[in-house]
Amino acid sequence: AQSVSQHNHHVILSEAASLELGCNYSYGGTVNLFWYVQYPGQHLQLLLKYFSGDPLVKGIKGFEAEFIKSKFSFNLRKPSVQWSDTAEYFCAVKSEAGSYQLTFGKGTKLSVIP
Amino acid sequence: GAGVSQSPSNKVTEKGKDVELRCDPISGHTALYWYRQSLGQGLEFLIYFQGNSAPDKSGLPSDRFSAERTGGSVSTLTIQRTQQEDSAVYLCASSQPGLARKETQYFGPGTRLLVL
Repeated sequence: AQSVSQHNHHVILSEAASLELGCNYSYGGTVNLFWYVQYPGQHLQLLLKYFSGDPLVKGIKGFEAEFIKSKFSFNLRKPSVQWSDTAEYFCAVKSEAGSYQLTFGKGTKLSVIP
Repeated sequence: GAGVSQSPSNKVTEKGKDVELRCDPISGHTALYWYRQSLGQGLEFLIYFQGNSAPDKSGLPSDRFSAERTGGSVSTLTIQRTQQEDSAVYLCASSQPGLARKETQYFGPGTRLLVL
């Protein structure tokens, strides 16, 4: 069974700091990869996704993620965070050969201090 | 509507009562998923519907949980004889399956269930 690890439970940054959230998955086959964001009081929203092609994907609000197949990683980055980025971030994986469900990491709570 | 809708947004019930949670997927999406988000457990898959195919029920935690999808659209998740450990946010997602199974799931706002 596939699993997803997000290494940081809670990250606290000052505005304008750079962000990198780690995500590693365990699955040997072809995967689709996602980052979702949940702002306080709001529902899960898609931030970005990777299906194939260029391993560096860009999403909304200046976020990007890089798929490194050899490391089974899909880390999320943003060069300069804003207070409005305060949210919980979830990495998710779906195999192309197995079941259709998403397997989620436990989430990383990001707090940005003005 | 433009997105996935769920009702009720909040539900408080007493232990032992049955509850029904409703999900209305994005129009045209043939795939529908239920997940549960609880403290300490993160997001867990419950059940998956695709068109008229038999649902994938592999994530349902017990036989007290069931779900149906009528007419390929609206879905209802039913929890019988609720227990305190059923307290969680129940999320619904829908998608339109694509080529080579590349698809994106879009989530609703969830139903927050509290079992007293």
